[in-house]
This record gives sequence, structure tokens and C-alpha cells, in this order.
Amino acid sequence: KQEVTQIPAALSVPEGENLVLNCSFTDSAIYNLQWFRQDPGKGLTSLLLIQSSQREQTSGRLNASLDKSSGRSTLYIAASQPGDSATYLCAVRPGDSWGKFQFGAGTQVVVTP
Amino acid sequence: DTAVSQTPKYLVTQMGNDKSIKCEQNLGHDTMYWYKQDSKKFLKIMFSYNNKELIINETVPNRFSPKSPDKAHLNLHINSLELGDSAVYFCASSPSSGGAVDTQYFGPGTRLTVL
Repeated sequence: KQEVTQIPAALSVPEGENLVLNCSFTDSAIYNLQWFRQDPGKGLTSLLLIQSSQREQTSGRLNASLDKSSGRSTLYIAASQPGDSATYLCAVRPGDSWGKFQFGAGTQVVVTP
Repeated sequence: DTAVSQTPKYLVTQMGNDKSIKCEQNLGHDTMYWYKQDSKKFLKIMFSYNNKELIINETVPNRFSPKSPDKAHLNLHINSLELGDSAVYFCASSPSSGGAVDTQYFGPGTRLTVL
């Protein structure tokens, strides 16, 4: 059974620092991995989706890497801003299951001005 | 325009009641999902429909019954509500369920409180 872990559970950084968020998964037979952002009381917003054949994806200040063999993905957020404060979740789609994304518990990020 | 909408946003009800949550997406997607997020913030998939056909049915009590009248709508009906059903329920949609393009778009959630 696939298990997805995100460490740390919470992170606080001063504005301007780079953020590094980790996601690990136990079964490397994945189809893709997706990073989401969740603001308090709101739904999830998709940030980046990495296919199993890709090593990384970039969007603006965000960069996500994927190392399937070691069961890891890292989300980098450059030059953090207070508006980046949110909970970040990663979700793994197993290779043999349509749509069955397995979510981590998330990392709660606070960026202080 | 809201891409994925849910109603109601909040739902407070007594144990034993029956309630429904509605979801609509205007993205033209083929696949829709229901997720449950518990107090520990874990998101777990409950159901998924692809073009009105049920394709995912996780281990969910049969008090929960999804219904998809068309591919833009996926409703969730819950019978005989229990305290443990209190959670935030999210609806989501994706262009397809089996291809590469399955980026998921989430609704704002429905916070269900069972007293």
C-alpha cells in the first residue's frame, strides 16, 4: 500500500528565504505526482504536476523535482513571500490506479514579513 | 466564473439525519471525485465518476451514495449521519482519469458538522 509522508509538518521562515518542502512515498511505481496549495478554509489549488518520466517541473518561483527510485519529491519556492503562507500537499497517483491520488498530510508554511 | 462549485459551504445537522452535498464543474471535464478531509487534514478519496460511470469506490460505508446525473454534476448523499462523518468534503474534477492530463481542480469544500 502506498504511503505518502511530508516532513516537516510545519515550517516558518522569514520573507525572502527559499523554501524546501519534502514529500516521500513508499512505492516507486507511480504514474505522476502533484503538488497542491491549500489556504485556510479553502479548496486545493494545483501547483505542479510531474509525470513519472520527468525529473522536474517549473512554474515561476516554483520548482518541483522527482526522484522515483528513491521515492522522493521536493518542492522549492524561491524568495518566499508572506502570500506563500499556506499548507502544501503532495499527492501521488499509483501506476495502476486511475485517479486514486494518495495524499500526504501536508506541510504548513508561514512566511513572516 | 467558479470552476468547481459545491453547495452548501457549511452543513450542521443532527445524528441520524440524511443530507446531500452538490457539486458542479463548468470545465468540461470527464472525471469528478469526492474526497473527505478529516480533522488531521488527511485527504482520502471516496468516489470517482468518469462520464457518469462509477470508477472508484473506496471502502466507504454504504450510507454514502454518490450520484452523477450528467458529467458536470456529482452529488453526495449521506444517510443516517454519524458523529464520525464530521469532516470537510471536497469535490474535484480532472480532464480524464486514465490519461496524462489528470490535474485535479478542487471545489471550496463543504464543512459538515454532525451533532
